[in-house]
Amino acid sequence: DAKTTQPPSMDCAEGRAANLPCNHSTISGNEYVYWYRQIHSQGPQYIIHGLKNNETNEMASLIITEDRKSSTLILPHATLRDTAVYYCIVITTSGTYKYIFGTGTRLKVLA
Amino acid sequence: DSGVTQTPKHLITATGQRVTLRCSPRSGDLSVYWYQQSLDQGLQFLIQYYNGEERAKGNILERFSAQQFPDLHSELNLSSLELGDSALYFCASSVAAGPYEQYFGPGTRLTVT
Repeated sequence: DAKTTQPPSMDCAEGRAANLPCNHSTISGNEYVYWYRQIHSQGPQYIIHGLKNNETNEMASLIITEDRKSSTLILPHATLRDTAVYYCIVITTSGTYKYIFGTGTRLKVLA
Repeated sequence: DSGVTQTPKHLITATGQRVTLRCSPRSGDLSVYWYQQSLDQGLQFLIQYYNGEERAKGNILERFSAQQFPDLHSELNLSSLELGDSALYFCASSVAAGPYEQYFGPGTRLTVT
């Protein structure tokens, strides 16, 4: 299973776009990139996922590089409620799955 | 509200004891996952069940076991508890066995004294 690397922490001004990077240089062709976030000690919340193409939903956009070795989660207009730990994980679509969340990026949105 | 319920919310017990944590998945979801989150640490995947069968195993200790029942609810049993087992335990569910989005419950906070 591919391992992901994320910066431990980031700050973002309220109202600005928050760009959270994730490196997954060992990703293979059948592995999806998933993003979740965890606010305080609540249960993590699914945000978005993608395989090759960029994806957008009501919460965020996911940009995956052409070589698929890295991706960026974009929160277009960050609010104080977006302060959370953001996890990037890679999950294979075949065989046995292992869900390795790592320690994520602690995003702090500043007023 | 994710639709996943976990009971109890809090549990305090002594070392050496055994506890059972319960999870009810979202309506229609067949897969259940268990995670452990110790203080200031990331989520550790423990085990996954799909439609009553074990599907994937992570870093689950031999003292821990889980099962999924015919009504699809799941239980995580923790025995011979140690101080280091104190953590948040999350259950998640997804529609099927593959890498689908998971919906997490509010967690059970276990304190071992």
